[in-house]
Amino acid sequence: GAGVSQSPSNKVTEKGKDVELRCDPISGHTALYWYRQSLGQGLEFLIYFQGNSAPDKSGLPSDRFSAERTGGSVSTLTIQRTQQEDSAVYLCASSWSRESTDTQYFGPGTRLTVL
Amino acid sequence: AQKITQTQPGMFVQEKEAVTLDCTYDTSDPSYGLFWYKQPSSGEMIFLIYQGSYDQQNATEGRYSLNFQKARKSANLVISASQLGDSAMYFCAMREGGSNDYKLSFGAGTTVTVRA
Repeated sequence: GAGVSQSPSNKVTEKGKDVELRCDPISGHTALYWYRQSLGQGLEFLIYFQGNSAPDKSGLPSDRFSAERTGGSVSTLTIQRTQQEDSAVYLCASSWSRESTDTQYFGPGTRLTVL
Repeated sequence: AQKITQTQPGMFVQEKEAVTLDCTYDTSDPSYGLFWYKQPSSGEMIFLIYQGSYDQQNATEGRYSLNFQKARKSANLVISASQLGDSAMYFCAMREGGSNDYKLSFGAGTTVTVRA
């Protein structure tokens, strides 16, 4: 497809389990971003990738969160030992480059529910 | 401090009328980009319109226009001829141009409900 895709669309897990969220950016986009949207916090930046490297991890809320990107394309966000406060919609976005003028295009998100 | 402020939590508009969504921003960076996104109930963030800080003219995209007042640091979105499908949450966002700043900072959003 032409847009950003994310999987799964919904994930329900039990507290303490690990989860992996996947993002497939628009073909050719070098920059990839993860955001989190929750009721209390609004939209928060988590991490940014340029190619396969992550120069900005400043938004990751704890060391339970990690992300990687391989082949300059697909990215995986991993949350270890999930907590109920991790429940949110995780949005992935991509752009051609890191320039401030470049539009970030978002995927449909993964809704994570931690029971 | 909040970088993006959207003061209208919710708005109602009659079909075919225009609606203005307010957005003010705070930055000391001379180079920045302002973006508006639409988020329908399905959850996807849809890009609507972009305005660069150095752009001389207000951006327009179809029924969307951006009323950019740089001195007042405001970037209001105008939706003309509202349609039922415009009912959604609308987010204003900013990306500053500093070399180490890649993320979008979002406002809290405004929910628009279009009435038939």
